[in-house]
Amino acid sequence: SAVISQKPSRDICQRGTSLTIQCQVDSQVTMMFWYRQQPGQSLTLIATANQGSEATYESGFVIDKFPISRPNLTFSTLTVSNMSPEDSSIYLCSVGPDSYTEAFFGQGTRLTVV
Amino acid sequence: GENVEQHPSTLSVQEGDSAVIKCTYSDSASNYFPWYKQELGKGPQLIIDIRSNVGEKKDQRIAVTLNKTAKHFSLHITETQPEDSAVYFCAATVKAAGNKLTFGGGTRVLVKP
Repeated sequence: SAVISQKPSRDICQRGTSLTIQCQVDSQVTMMFWYRQQPGQSLTLIATANQGSEATYESGFVIDKFPISRPNLTFSTLTVSNMSPEDSSIYLCSVGPDSYTEAFFGQGTRLTVV
Repeated sequence: GENVEQHPSTLSVQEGDSAVIKCTYSDSASNYFPWYKQELGKGPQLIIDIRSNVGEKKDQRIAVTLNKTAKHFSLHITETQPEDSAVYFCAATVKAAGNKLTFGGGTRVLVKP
């Protein structure tokens, strides 16, 4: 199984600012995924991050708001830009599933925007 | 795209009783169905999964059943314990590179001692 580390684990941010969340995986993976989990809700996929190419965003999510970097096969970042209170959520990084592995998640970043 | 519905949204059981959570999916091509447990302040943890070529899978007190014809799958927890209290999510996908998980809405399980 993959071990996924996310930083920070939580943060309280002022509206209008940006926060960058880091995700480190203990093995090389082709695809990494970023999810949002709003309070009391299920997980919603934000985007898929491939190394060496632009991230692919799901409907309702745009690159200007959630820029993603994927500099190598073990690391990715998600930035939440120009934050508003509606961005208060848990943001989760995951890997898989693919033909060989299951899907594993980091512990999440709990973001509160005030 | 895939749509996954999960019931019930909340479930309260007495310690020692069984808990059952049911999910239905829409895409007949889906072939991989994981279940996740999420405790407060933590990320989802994979607890069991099943592939479409298997009808049932068991791991100690946890089992999952799949009915491909009806497009539904269920999680069964026997002899529930207080530490089973958490939110449980089902998901579905076609298990191949580039395919994304679609999650159900979640079930909050409370095991009363």
